[in-house]
Amino acid sequence: GAVVSQHPSRVICKSGTSVKIECRSLDFQATTMFWYRQFPKKSLMLMATSNEGSKATYEQGVEKDKFLINHASLTLSTLTVTSAHPEDSSFYICSAVAGGMGDTQYFGPGTRLTVL
Amino acid sequence: EDKVVQSPLSLVVHEGDTVTLNCSYEVTNFRSLLWYKQEKKAPTFLFMLTSSGIEKKSGRLSSILDKKELFSILNITATQTGDSAVYLCAVGNSGNTPLVFGKGTRLSVIA
Repeated sequence: GAVVSQHPSRVICKSGTSVKIECRSLDFQATTMFWYRQFPKKSLMLMATSNEGSKATYEQGVEKDKFLINHASLTLSTLTVTSAHPEDSSFYICSAVAGGMGDTQYFGPGTRLTVL
Repeated sequence: EDKVVQSPLSLVVHEGDTVTLNCSYEVTNFRSLLWYKQEKKAPTFLFMLTSSGIEKKSGRLSSILDKKELFSILNITATQTGDSAVYLCAVGNSGNTPLVFGKGTRLSVIA
């Protein structure tokens, strides 16, 4: 149980395009999902907390208009990187908290974004 | 400010060795401490600890929490090359709020 999927697993795009990443909880309902980015050999950096049916809470220094988050249902959150630039190239990981399971976050497999 | 510190930052051992990874924390309203293993992709969950002094075990891995000393260790016995990974410690201070992650310990097990 507690499986989280992400799609796509890898994306390569040109500078200036927008990229949407989906995060789904497959076998549980997730009222809260988190979005992280991770640079090579660095730790996870929390970008935002996504709550179903409400606006996401962004961490300091993360541009809301650049990284659009939508948590439309209890099993789906999306992150859209708008007008992507090469410095946005990174590994993006989502995690989900299952209601009633305390703090255990289950991570998706991640999406590697490369912006040319 | 909530803080999680892991040590050592990196470690190289030979197969068969036993290793101990450390995690200390300072958080308000502590709720739980979690250990994750990260190989090439996203972290996979290992343990969640909420009570002091109770050891959690899974095969060759075990972990224990000391809430008085604000400290946890992760032990791996009879290490194998497949144990090579970054081990992340994270602390939760209430349900559904972001975990605070340490920077991880990079373990390399050589044959």
